[in-house]
Amino acid sequence: GAGVSQSPRYKVAKRGQDVALRCDPISGHVSLFWYQQALGQGPEFLTYFQNEAQLDKSGLPSDRFFAERPEGSVSTLKIQRTQQEDSAVYLCASRDTDRAWADTQYFGPGTRLTVL
Amino acid sequence: QKEVEQNSGPLSVPEGAIASLNCTYSDRGSQSFFWYRQYSGKSPELIMSIYSNGDKEDGRFTAQLNKASQYVSLLIRDSQPSDSATYLCAVRMDSNYQLIWGAGTKLIIKP
Repeated sequence: GAGVSQSPRYKVAKRGQDVALRCDPISGHVSLFWYQQALGQGPEFLTYFQNEAQLDKSGLPSDRFFAERPEGSVSTLKIQRTQQEDSAVYLCASRDTDRAWADTQYFGPGTRLTVL
Repeated sequence: QKEVEQNSGPLSVPEGAIASLNCTYSDRGSQSFFWYRQYSGKSPELIMSIYSNGDKEDGRFTAQLNKASQYVSLLIRDSQPSDSATYLCAVRMDSNYQLIWGAGTKLIIKP
C-alpha cells in the first residue's frame, strides 16, 4: 500500500468492552510504533516493535493494554475492559529502518476510540 | 521527567507574514529535534528535523536550535492559509527511538 493504514477509523465501545485496533504498516518497514493522542495533546508513546519483537512496552498505561506483531508486519493493539479514560486517538507509525537516529516515522490516519 | 513545552495558542498571523513557533525541552541529553504538522482530524506529518545548533532552512521553513538554552523554534515565511494547523515539537535522546512530544501550538493564518 501507499501508506500506513489503520482500522477501524472510528470505534465506539461500552465501558468494559474489549477492543482490537489494527495497523498495516508500509510494506517492508521494520519499525512500528503505537501512540495514544488525547484531545488537545501531543502523542504519547505506547510501544515499539522491531519486526516481530516488542522491544519497548513501557508506555502502555496498564495491563489492560496489549500489542502484538506476530509476523513482523500487521500489528494489533488490544484494550481489555475499556474505561472512559481510554478514549483517545490511537496512532500507528512505521519506519523503514531500525536505526534509532533515522528521522521519518510515517503515521497512519489513526483510530478514534470513544468509550461510553 | 522529560518534558517538552509549547504555547498552546492559538497563534494568529496575517497571510504573508512570518509565523514563529517555539518549543523548550527539559532533558539536556536530547539530541534530535523534530517539527510535525497536524491538520485537524489528521495524523502528524514531519516537516523539519534538526540536530545541530543554528539554523536549518527548507523552503519557507526554518528550524532554529539552541541547545544551551534548550530551545528550538520553527519559522514559517510568507505564511499561507494552508499553513493553518497544529505544530507539534518532538524531541529524542541520542540512540533512542522514543519521541517526547509537546502538546502542540495551534497556528491560524488569516487571509
